[in-house]
Amino acid sequence: DGGITQSPKYLFRKEGQNVTLSCEQNLNHDAMYWYRQDPGQGLRLIYYSQIVNDFQKGDIAEGYSVSREKKESFPLTVTSAQKNPTAFYLCASSTPRTSGSETQYFGPGTRLLVL
Amino acid sequence: KNEVEQSPQNLTAQEGEFITINCSYSVGISALHWLQQHPGGGIVSLFMLSSGKKKHGRLIATINIQEKHSSLHITASHPRDSAVYICAVRVGRGGADGLTFGKGTHLIIQP
Repeated sequence: DGGITQSPKYLFRKEGQNVTLSCEQNLNHDAMYWYRQDPGQGLRLIYYSQIVNDFQKGDIAEGYSVSREKKESFPLTVTSAQKNPTAFYLCASSTPRTSGSETQYFGPGTRLLVL
Repeated sequence: KNEVEQSPQNLTAQEGEFITINCSYSVGISALHWLQQHPGGGIVSLFMLSSGKKKHGRLIATINIQEKHSSLHITASHPRDSAVYICAVRVGRGGADGLTFGKGTHLIIQP
């Protein structure tokens, strides 16, 4: 089945440690996104990528980095510079906006906890 | 910056009731999405609207571009409809920038 997979489901980070969240899709979508969800708040955009080897900062990119070396993969690294990383992280991809019926597909999410 | 406001924040209803969730936004948009998030965290896209009305099963979504307002309706509600419903908008028409999200409406349907 086509879809988006994220791993791990739960991730624990020690102070000062970088961690990488995996996101893979087999939907053949060019556009991919990383969002962060905190309790009581709406999802916020961290980074997005329109195409391989290109990505743009979203609203809350500080303390995060991404890469897009393959169409299928868009990993997110939470660096030690991110002072409040505990959150639920969601990866998404979307059908082309030119299709007239853009649909966002979301992965199951990764919960990151700081020890 | 575009703001997306949803109401109500929380809604508890009895099975069979007609449900309405509202979404208002502050600037012009090119598309509005309604999403459903279940307790495990997974999110499913329900509708994408740029005008008018869409229906899928017991779900109906409408948008009024002039009034910057959208509604999601659930007819004959069922306990399995219990979830967080999220409104999200896309500003502008170029590129593939992400969505701006409301905080969600937590819906509980009691049997």
